[in-house]
Amino acid sequence: EIVMTQSPATLSVSPGERATLSCRASQSVSNNLAWYQQKPGQAPRLLIYGASTRATGIPARFSGSGSGTEFTLTISSLQSEDFAVYYCQQYNNWPTITFGQGTRLEIK
Amino acid sequence: QLQLQESGPGLVKSSETLSLSCTVSGGSISNSNYYWGWIRQPPGKGLEWIGSIYYSGNTYYNPSLKSRVTISVDTSKNQFSLKVSSVTAADTTLYYCARQLGLSAPGAFGVVDYWGQGTLVTVSS
Repeated sequence: EIVMTQSPATLSVSPGERATLSCRASQSVSNNLAWYQQKPGQAPRLLIYGASTRATGIPARFSGSGSGTEFTLTISSLQSEDFAVYYCQQYNNWPTITFGQGTRLEIK
Repeated sequence: QLQLQESGPGLVKSSETLSLSCTVSGGSISNSNYYWGWIRQPPGKGLEWIGSIYYSGNTYYNPSLKSRVTISVDTSKNQFSLKVSSVTAADTTLYYCARQLGLSAPGAFGVVDYWGQGTLVTVSS
């Protein structure tokens, strides 16, 4: 099984600042990496797939990068609605997909 | 707009079988471009893929759960279902049904693009 490790577990950032979230795979997943945002009481929402392609309707302040085993989600200027939990997911090993344990982005 | 809605008992006794259904509206479960999956999330914790099914009935399971899980599809009802046998307290969690992109989505095969709202199942002793 491919293990996805996210860091940090919790990230405190002020509104308007940049947030950088990391995700590492235990083996190469090429660019078959997605990011999701989850707010309390809601299902996750797809943000990024293919490591760097924004899903439909996702604002440009969200960007993804990386390939192989190291990936980054960057939120360029945090808005109040961006404070949530973020998960990475690999789908290179289809049908077995695995998620990271999540990074909680909180207001500083 | 596609919608997925989970349904089923919120309380199951230990050692019994958990059964959930997911009704898809706003789209056809027989669309060959997609797979349909179940994902679970213990309260306050991360996401675990349980398994997926294609409209033809082909199934794919998480190896860690495979011995206890059955996923089936009913195209006439636009539904797919999950059964987990021999449940324990560890199966107490929020269960999501979801749509996954298929081969027609280059570079996104396996991505989850739609989720149900989730249903909490508690296993009681």
